Amino acid sequence: DTGVSQDPRHKITKRGQNVTFRCDPISEHNRLYWYRQTLGQGPEFLTYFQNEAQLEKSRLLSDRFSAERPKGSFSTLEIQRTEQGDSAMYLCASSQRGGGTEAFFGQGTRLTVV
Amino acid sequence: AQSVTQLGSHVSVSEGALVLLRCNYSSSVPPYLFWYVQYPNQGLQLLLKYTTGATLVKGINGFEAEFKKSETSFHLTKPSAHMSDAAEYFCAVSSRSGTSGTYKYIFGTGTRLKVLA
Repeated sequence: DTGVSQDPRHKITKRGQNVTFRCDPISEHNRLYWYRQTLGQGPEFLTYFQNEAQLEKSRLLSDRFSAERPKGSFSTLEIQRTEQGDSAMYLCASSQRGGGTEAFFGQGTRLTVV
Repeated sequence: AQSVTQLGSHVSVSEGALVLLRCNYSSSVPPYLFWYVQYPNQGLQLLLKYTTGATLVKGINGFEAEFKKSETSFHLTKPSAHMSDAAEYFCAVSSRSGTSGTYKYIFGTGTRLKVLA
């Protein structure tokens, strides 16, 4: 297993376009997280899946954002009608269980909205 | 709600000098604490974690951290800095969410470590 993978690594899009990012977690991990990181800030929690169920969404996740994890495997994060304020690094992480187990992060997708 | 505060957004040390990065947490329950490192345009890599037991935990690359409940701190140290340690460091707490009952990771704002030759 090569860890958490994210695709694409970089995305440049025009304002108003829709974008979709993919995350493939470590195969035996049933928990999957999406975070957003802007310059000079720590990762901010967006949403969390346990298997295919989306159990929590941050209020940061506006109606333009949607995430799915069909069949409890890979996950997608879609942003509709992108705005310049959406420019950030989007990080995906997975863990085997909660509490004291660590989250393993992918390399992130850097989104630039022009 | 749980939170993490990292004092000092930028820290500079000379190569070979002691590294000390500060982290204080707020948690109403016994916390699970983590330190991650991030290199430019990369994801986060775990350095070390505290769950239970020994309060001094050792991690990769010669880093260690001590959990001090009375001070609600989990500071990261390394006896001798190396040029390759230059990166951004994040402290995190794993907190049980009130809405979902599951755990999520709450991060501090990070400390950028610069190592001077």
